[in-house]
Amino acid sequence: AQSVTQLGSHVSVSEGALVLLRCNYSSSVPPYLFWYVQYPNQGLQLLLKYTTGATLVKGINGFEAEFKKSETSFHLTKPSAHMSDAAEYFCAVSPYGNNRLAFGKGNQVVVIP
Amino acid sequence: DVKVTQSSRYLVKRTGEKVFLECVQDMDHENMFWYRQDPGLGLRLIYFSYDVKMKEKGDIPEGYSVSREKKERFSLILESASTNQTSMYLCASSLSPGRVEQFFGPGTRLTVL
Repeated sequence: AQSVTQLGSHVSVSEGALVLLRCNYSSSVPPYLFWYVQYPNQGLQLLLKYTTGATLVKGINGFEAEFKKSETSFHLTKPSAHMSDAAEYFCAVSPYGNNRLAFGKGNQVVVIP
Repeated sequence: DVKVTQSSRYLVKRTGEKVFLECVQDMDHENMFWYRQDPGLGLRLIYFSYDVKMKEKGDIPEGYSVSREKKERFSLILESASTNQTSMYLCASSLSPGRVEQFFGPGTRLTVL
């Protein structure tokens, strides 16, 4: 069974500073990897995904993530935080060929002016 | 764009009532999912369906049932609502086996008094 670890339920970042959210997973087979964002009182929206190919993946709103197989990680970054980035972020993993997604517990990002 | 709609954004029910949450997707997706989301626990899978009239239990199916009579519609049923079922409920869909990206509805915030 796969599991996803996101450390730090609340993450504070200054406006203009680097956003770094860590995601580590355990999976017995090559995974598909996702980052979703949830704004207040809304559903989840896909930020980016890794399935195959290039390990550095670019997503919406200036976010990107890098799949590192040796570290079983898929960390999310954005070079410069904006106030509109305040939201909850979820990492998710699905082993190849499996319909289900396993989600991490999420990171609530607060952007400080 | 895929659209997943949920019948209510907010719902207040009494303990012991039978509760129906409806979800509709408009992109002919084969797979549909129901999650509940609670602070600090992330998203937990209740049930999913990979075809009409087919269903599989997720991680926390107790106290819930589901119905999928038509491909586009997936209903979550609380047979006898309890206060510990107060939560945010999220519906999602994905295209087919191997296409695991899930598209989410806006969520229903259910309060059981």
